[in-house]
Amino acid sequence: DIQMTQSPSTLSASVGDRVTITCRASQSINTWLAWYQQKPGKAPKLLIHRASSLESGVPSRFSGSGSGTEFTLTISSLRPDDFATYYCQQYDSYPLSFGGGTKMEIK
Amino acid sequence: EVQLVESGGGLVQPGGSLRVSCAVSGFTFSTYAMSWVRQAPGKGLEWVSGISGSGGSTYYAESVKGRFTISRDNSKHTLYLQMNSLRAEDTALYYCARGLATPIWGQGTMVTVSS
Repeated sequence: DIQMTQSPSTLSASVGDRVTITCRASQSINTWLAWYQQKPGKAPKLLIHRASSLESGVPSRFSGSGSGTEFTLTISSLRPDDFATYYCQQYDSYPLSFGGGTKMEIK
Repeated sequence: EVQLVESGGGLVQPGGSLRVSCAVSGFTFSTYAMSWVRQAPGKGLEWVSGISGSGGSTYYAESVKGRFTISRDNSKHTLYLQMNSLRAEDTALYYCARGLATPIWGQGTMVTVSS
């Protein structure tokens, strides 16, 4: 089974900051990686699929990169609405798996 | 409009059983793989189970293998998760989701396992 490790688990940042979250897979998943944003009491929202493809309607300040085992989600300039929890997910093979999450907090 | 609506959650005693359902509309159900994903209170997302569009292939997380069964009725546009031998650690909000990496999620149904 593929294990997904996200870092950091918590990130304190300010509006306007550029931030990066890292996700590592225990084996190669090519580019079969998605990023989600989740706010309290809401279902996850898909931001990026295939490691770097922005989902329709998602602001361009979000970007993803990587392949194989190392991936990053970058937010170029944090907005107040971006303070949430972010998860990576591999869908290269079953069982599918999520990273542990990164909680973005206001500094 | 694409919709996924979960139901069937509730309070069940340890060792008990429960079946949750996900009624879908707005897309051709039989052409999509489906997943169940759960989230324990205050915790992260955990993929639980998946099923192919035809229902011929099913997949499980190790934590539920042998206790949970995923199924679908394409004529009724409904996805199911039969949960047996429930444990306290199965307490979570259970979401159904369309496909593998998806913008399409339900609102979730809460399952609480407690005596």
